[in-house]
Amino acid sequence: GAVVSQHPSWVICKSGTSVKIECRSLDFQATTMFWYRQFPKQSLMLMATSNEGSKATYEQGVEKDKFLINHASLTLSTLTVTSAHPEDSSFYICSARDHSGTGELFFGEGSRLTVL
Amino acid sequence: AQSVSQHNHHVILSEAASLELGCNYSYGGTVNLFWYVQYPGQHLQLLLKYFSGDPLVKGIKGFEAEFIKSKFSFNLRKPSVQWSDTAEYFCAVEAGGATNKLIFGTGTLLAVQP
Repeated sequence: GAVVSQHPSWVICKSGTSVKIECRSLDFQATTMFWYRQFPKQSLMLMATSNEGSKATYEQGVEKDKFLINHASLTLSTLTVTSAHPEDSSFYICSARDHSGTGELFFGEGSRLTVL
Repeated sequence: AQSVSQHNHHVILSEAASLELGCNYSYGGTVNLFWYVQYPGQHLQLLLKYFSGDPLVKGIKGFEAEFIKSKFSFNLRKPSVQWSDTAEYFCAVEAGGATNKLIFGTGTLLAVQP
């Protein structure tokens, strides 16, 4: 089946630095990708919808200047956590829909961010 | 706003026991419904989905779910669980229209004892 890959799978950074997480659709083109955040023992919370070639659509309560999303190509979306703080530590998951196939949503492996 | 509720946060079963995980959603219009599974250390995988038609849908690994519109429910079932079913299970709803946005429930952690 279709594959969505995230990199890095785990990153540790110092408070105040910025971290970029990549999400790639490996064998299909994705005009739309989604970024989720998962806190320990909680569900996935949709952060934003990443649209290829245009601005991302953020969910209510998500700071767009804090979580920068870029979807420059049909196979790559990036999430940059700017000026990270310990409260940004979380598990970030992306997903992409394979419109050319079954329309199923495929998920990446997730990226664990730890901010010291 | 749409929401999804999973009533069981932790479920512990013995092998061969029957499983039913509850899922209720709040949205009055057309919905697409999903169950995802996350095995330890792995990414989310689709178990089954309902878009339309027969409200009883069958998924992979012997799982099935029934959409009951009047109850806004989409419960997941399996007649006989195995140790390998130990995982976290998420119910998700995609509200009507071309929103492409999934709203997830809080998840149910299933532990199957051999």
